[in-house]
Amino acid sequence: TQLLEQSPQFLSIQEGENLTVYCNSSSVFSSLQWYRQEPGEGPVLLVTVVTGGEVKKLKRLTFQFGDARKDSSLHITAAQPGDTGLYLCAGRLSGGSYIPTFGRGTSLIVHP
Amino acid sequence: DAGVIQSPRHEVTEMGQEVTLRCKPISGHNSLFWYRQTMMRGLELLIYFNNNVPIDDSGMPEDRFSAKMPNASFSTLKIQPSEPRDSAVYFCASSFQLAGTDTQYFGPGTRLTVL
Repeated sequence: TQLLEQSPQFLSIQEGENLTVYCNSSSVFSSLQWYRQEPGEGPVLLVTVVTGGEVKKLKRLTFQFGDARKDSSLHITAAQPGDTGLYLCAGRLSGGSYIPTFGRGTSLIVHP
Repeated sequence: DAGVIQSPRHEVTEMGQEVTLRCKPISGHNSLFWYRQTMMRGLELLIYFNNNVPIDDSGMPEDRFSAKMPNASFSTLKIQPSEPRDSAVYFCASSFQLAGTDTQYFGPGTRLTVL
């Protein structure tokens, strides 16, 4: 059983569409991070959220940390082919280890 | 900075052979992680070093896997003997551990195929 469940697993959309991907858990996290991984490369950090209810924006990407710090979402507005990649969430358990746990990711393909 | 450097980028070997993967972390970082990524299991932490000392190796699958960090600028992950189920992409990542929100910087990975 994965500590962090990401959904959907796969998403294939057309350029210009909006989308939301989710990262859910029954555990409470002190912080949660979102990474993007492009084919043949390692994951690259997009954002870190630490406060329940926190919303962060990165151009067309909006990240939200749930009020109870058990879940997070990533919303992309007007997706572009350059957004294609694997989106991974990683969380550090509240009161737990320094080491983050990764979800399995959402694989996004944006068609031109 | 060149980022995290891993070698080789691709490795194809036969079952039973020894495989050594190498990593050079970002200069100044004090934490180093080895991960394995597969479609079935996603990104799994194998071992974590802090200041060159192994802190958590609970993710190392079995005794066939070993990792060393002889100094702050070099680490190896060794598989001996290798098995087909070890085929995966292996990532090394480094960070500067200051608080619980520091960033991990990943290398490009080594794609290992064991025939």
